[in-house]
Amino acid sequence: SQQGEEDPQALSIQEGENATMNCSYKTSINNLQWYRQNSGRGLVHLILIRSNEREKHSGRLRVTLDTSKKSSSLLITASRAADTASYFCATQTSGSARQLTFGSGTQLTVLP
Amino acid sequence: SAVISQKPSRDICQRGTSLTIQCQVDSQVTMMFWYRQQPGQSLTLIATANQGSEATYESGFVIDKFPISRPNLTFSTLTVSNMSPEDSSIYLCSVGGRSTDTQYFGPGTRLTVL
Repeated sequence: SQQGEEDPQALSIQEGENATMNCSYKTSINNLQWYRQNSGRGLVHLILIRSNEREKHSGRLRVTLDTSKKSSSLLITASRAADTASYFCATQTSGSARQLTFGSGTQLTVLP
Repeated sequence: SAVISQKPSRDICQRGTSLTIQCQVDSQVTMMFWYRQQPGQSLTLIATANQGSEATYESGFVIDKFPISRPNLTFSTLTVSNMSPEDSSIYLCSVGGRSTDTQYFGPGTRLTVL
């Protein structure tokens, strides 16, 4: 079953703008990860944040995690048309044998 | 990172038939995972495939419908049996990283059942 929800379901922005996606989850986690999927293809891992971390950066990506609110956000700065994709958060719990539970996803469209 | 290939990349099948999807990894891995992504939806874990033991299925998925083989540490198959249009989905395999908790996904198999 899905761990939680992501919002917005769809986001459309202009190139150069920032995009923020939010993810909520239900159970205690070991880590939370963000993945990107282009046009129904395989998923690409973007970034992982552990439960004892609050913020993490990778290039134009910034991820925050608030375990008290069971929520995370993904910020993509200075977006590009190539960032157009579906973005999913996924959680891993302790002792889950590394399996992932995915959120509902956000479809991001970056207009040139 | 791991490089994963899947075959076929897509297929169109008739109701009542079965399709076997192959997943090949370029390195030995302990655990492989099979996910289903229904149209416009997120990913749902079908089962975890461990070499040398039976696959562990998630709630709502049964071995008779989705038999899985794991003959060695680099290969697995998922069969979608007695297909119906509701089985139309993208099926993805993934593996865990050796020293990280990230997962690497295959390109997926897009299945359409008529």
